Amino acid sequence: DTGVSQNPRHKITKRGQNVTFRCDPISEHNRLYWYRQTLGQGPEFLTYFQNEAQLEKSRLLSDRFSAERPKGSFSTLEIQRTEQGDSAMYLCASSLVWGTGELFFGEGSRLTVL
Amino acid sequence: AQRVTQPEKLLSVFKGAPVELKCNYSYSGSPELFWYVQYSRQRLQLLLRHISRESIKGFTADLNKGETSFHLKKPFAQEEDSAMYYCALSSPLEYGNKLVFGAGTILRVKS
Repeated sequence: DTGVSQNPRHKITKRGQNVTFRCDPISEHNRLYWYRQTLGQGPEFLTYFQNEAQLEKSRLLSDRFSAERPKGSFSTLEIQRTEQGDSAMYLCASSLVWGTGELFFGEGSRLTVL
Repeated sequence: AQRVTQPEKLLSVFKGAPVELKCNYSYSGSPELFWYVQYSRQRLQLLLRHISRESIKGFTADLNKGETSFHLKKPFAQEEDSAMYYCALSSPLEYGNKLVFGAGTILRVKS
C-alpha cells in the first residue's frame, strides 16, 4: 500500500476552465477529507465523506466546487469556472472511523489558474 | 469558533539547542490536539497527539488547558528536525474528526 494517492500532482489552467482532481485513499479507510492550502497558511477543511456519504461541507466550498465519492472508494473534487483565487494546493486525507483520529495525507494536487 | 494560532512563522536554532514551537488554541471545551510535520518533499504526517502522552523523535507536547496551549518541545535539536510543523485541533463533540490547523512554523536547525 502506497498510502493516499492524488492526481494530477500539478495542474495549470486558464481562468474559466473546469478542473478535476482525484484522490485514492488507503483501501480500508472509510473517511476521506479534502483540504485546501494556500501559501503561508495551514490546510483549511473543505469537505469530508464517510463511505459514499458527504457529511460536511465548509463555507469555503462555493457552488463552483463539487466533490463525490461514488461507491465509497476514490473521490473527485471538481472546480468549475476556475478563478485565480482558486490557485492552491488541494490535499486529500483518509482515516478510519474507529481509528486513532490520525489523518493520512496525500502529496497534494497543486492548481495554478492563469 | 475553533482556532489554532502558531505565532512564529520561522524558528531558527543551532544543533543541540532546545526547541519550543508555540501553539495556542481557542475552543470552548476539551479538544484533541495534534502536531503534524512536513519534511522537505514529503507529505504531511502525524508527529504526536496529546492523548497518547508519548515522546516521538524526542519531541513532547503538554496540553495546558489553563493557558489553552499545546507547545511542542525538544531538549536537543537535530538537523533532521528541520521541517514545517503544524499544530491542529479536533473536536471530540463533532462527528468526523476534521482537523483545524494553525498556519505552521518552519523549524530550521543550523549546524
